[in-house]
Amino acid sequence: AQSVTQPDIHITVSEGASLELRCNYSYGATPYLFWYVQSPGQGLQLLLKYFSGDTLVQGIKGFEAEFKRSQSSFNLRKPSVHWSDAAEYFCAVADPSGGGADGLTFGKGTHLIIQP
Amino acid sequence: DAGVIQSPRHEVTEMGQEVTLRCKPISGHNSLFWYRQTMMRGLELLIYFNNNVPIDDSGMPEDRFSAKMPNASFSTLKIQPSEPRDSAVYFCASSLRGVTGELFFGEGSRLTVL
Repeated sequence: AQSVTQPDIHITVSEGASLELRCNYSYGATPYLFWYVQSPGQGLQLLLKYFSGDTLVQGIKGFEAEFKRSQSSFNLRKPSVHWSDAAEYFCAVADPSGGGADGLTFGKGTHLIIQP
Repeated sequence: DAGVIQSPRHEVTEMGQEVTLRCKPISGHNSLFWYRQTMMRGLELLIYFNNNVPIDDSGMPEDRFSAKMPNASFSTLKIQPSEPRDSAVYFCASSLRGVTGELFFGEGSRLTVL
């Protein structure tokens, strides 16, 4: 069974500083990989996704993520965070054999706090 | 375009009562998913439908939970009878099967069972 680990439950970053959120997955092959963001009281919004090809993917809101097969990782980065980035971030995987049609498995999430 | 629409946004009920949560997926999407979010367990997939047919309900915690999708534009998740441990945020999501795997989420239904 596939699984996703987000080792950091909370991360605090100063506004304007760089950010990296970690994600490791467990799967027999390369899954489809996603990062979602959830603002308080809201649903989840897709930031970016990786299926194949270039291992550095760009997303919305200035985020990017890098797939590293050797480390089974898909870490999310942003060079300079804004106060509006404070939210919960979820890494997720999908089984590519089903075309990603069988739902996503989510990590437990990382709560991002932005200090002024 | 309208996104995934869920109702009610908030529900407070007493133990033993029936709860029905509703979802309208994005028009044209043919897969629908119900997730439950709690602090302890995170986001759990309860059940999903492809072309209105339930495919995998292994995540449904107990027989008290049931889900239906009578047509392509409507789904319900029912809990009968409800218990305090069912308190959670329930999300509905839809997707276009086999295209990208991307899920589009509704804003959730926050359920509190007293």
